[in-house]
Amino acid sequence: GEDVEQSLFLSVREGDSSVINCTYTDSSSTYLYWYKQEPGAGLQLLTYIFSNMDMKQDQRLTVLLNKKDKHLSLRIADTQTGDSAIYFCAESPGTGGFKTIFGAGTRLFVKA
Amino acid sequence: DTGVSQDPRHKITKRGQNVTFRCDPISEHNRLYWYRQTLGQGPEFLTYFQNEAQLEKSRLLSDRFSAERPKGSFSTLEIQRTEQGDSAMYLCASSLGGQGARPQHFGDGTRLSIL
Repeated sequence: GEDVEQSLFLSVREGDSSVINCTYTDSSSTYLYWYKQEPGAGLQLLTYIFSNMDMKQDQRLTVLLNKKDKHLSLRIADTQTGDSAIYFCAESPGTGGFKTIFGAGTRLFVKA
Repeated sequence: DTGVSQDPRHKITKRGQNVTFRCDPISEHNRLYWYRQTLGQGPEFLTYFQNEAQLEKSRLLSDRFSAERPKGSFSTLEIQRTEQGDSAMYLCASSLGGQGARPQHFGDGTRLSIL
């Protein structure tokens, strides 16, 4: 089946690194994504990684993919108060069309 | 603005009424998707189009829901005889086509409240 799990809350101090973790079940997933959602807004595609990659870095964001454990993480360096939001882990399953399966989201609180 | 555009942003209506939402995708994207998001949850897939063809529908899309993309550009999502349980954020996304999945870009959604 297709399922994405992530912890519900994370609290960090401004300037620290944040690490948001996610596990997924579909070993044939092609893309894995991180989306950010601020209150009242839609989802912003932050970054994504293709399933044949282990790591992707984009400015303050680092994505790590462990295919063996079906584990995805997002590290935000030098976390700022503007990073406070809900972060969704998502996957494109390898079979069953082109829909994206989302986790329930991790709410990141950044304390000044 | 070249992102995904949704209209209206908010819709309040009485139970039993019909509502229609519109989505304008990113212009070069030929795939268009509809999702529903309830409070505290991630988006759930409803349906998607490749050009004007509706290729997949979720079991969440009851017979009161219908989606169209008549010319392969904008899309509409209609809900007939709305119920309290239809209250949610309805999100539209678009992506490039071609072989395999593609990263999807989302609009700001339409928030539906049923009185």
